Amino acid sequence: GENVEQHPSTLSVQEGDSAVIKCTYSDSASNYFPWYKQELGKRPQLIIDIRSNVGEKKDQRIAVTLNKTAKHFSLHITETQPEDSAVYFCAASIDSSASKIIFGSGTRLSIRP
Amino acid sequence: KAGVTQTPRYLIKTRGQQVTLSCSPISGHRSVSWYQQTPGQGLQFLFEYFSETQRNKGNFPGRFSGRQFSNSRSEMNVSTLELGDSALYLCASSLEGKLFFGSGTQLSVL
Repeated sequence: GENVEQHPSTLSVQEGDSAVIKCTYSDSASNYFPWYKQELGKRPQLIIDIRSNVGEKKDQRIAVTLNKTAKHFSLHITETQPEDSAVYFCAASIDSSASKIIFGSGTRLSIRP
Repeated sequence: KAGVTQTPRYLIKTRGQQVTLSCSPISGHRSVSWYQQTPGQGLQFLFEYFSETQRNKGNFPGRFSGRQFSNSRSEMNVSTLELGDSALYLCASSLEGKLFFGSGTQLSVL
């Protein structure tokens, strides 16, 4: 079955700097890759997603890149702000109907003032 | 629209007991997934239901089971509880592949 590995497990960056979180997946049939943000004590929320027919997607300060050949995908956050502090999860699904979405182990991002 | 609703919010049980958790999806969403969240293991997939049928199952023992009703509401049951079952159980309804999570049920097994 699908396995998603995520690195690093913790990340601390200076406010205003960029943060990058990387994930790899095992099932080459995976074609949908969402990213979720979970603030302390709150539910995970979708922040951006990408499908396998696209190599990059941007939404304001957030971007995701996908390398299907290497089975890698990454989340990039630019100009980090205090409200970016949270746990970020990458995920992969073999189909866009979300019948089975497998998550990485999470990255705790801390923004230093 | 109301979000995904999970009840109860907290549960305390003892080893050997069984527990049932409930999840009401967003109106119009027919898919409900269940996840177990623990500090060390992240979000572990339990199972997913669509139109009252289980479409996918994760790698959990048979003590973990679920069902979905005709109104898309779902329940999850854990029998013969073990200490290691202590976790936050999250359900999510989905539309076009996007998961919308509930606030979860925090289960403590003593």
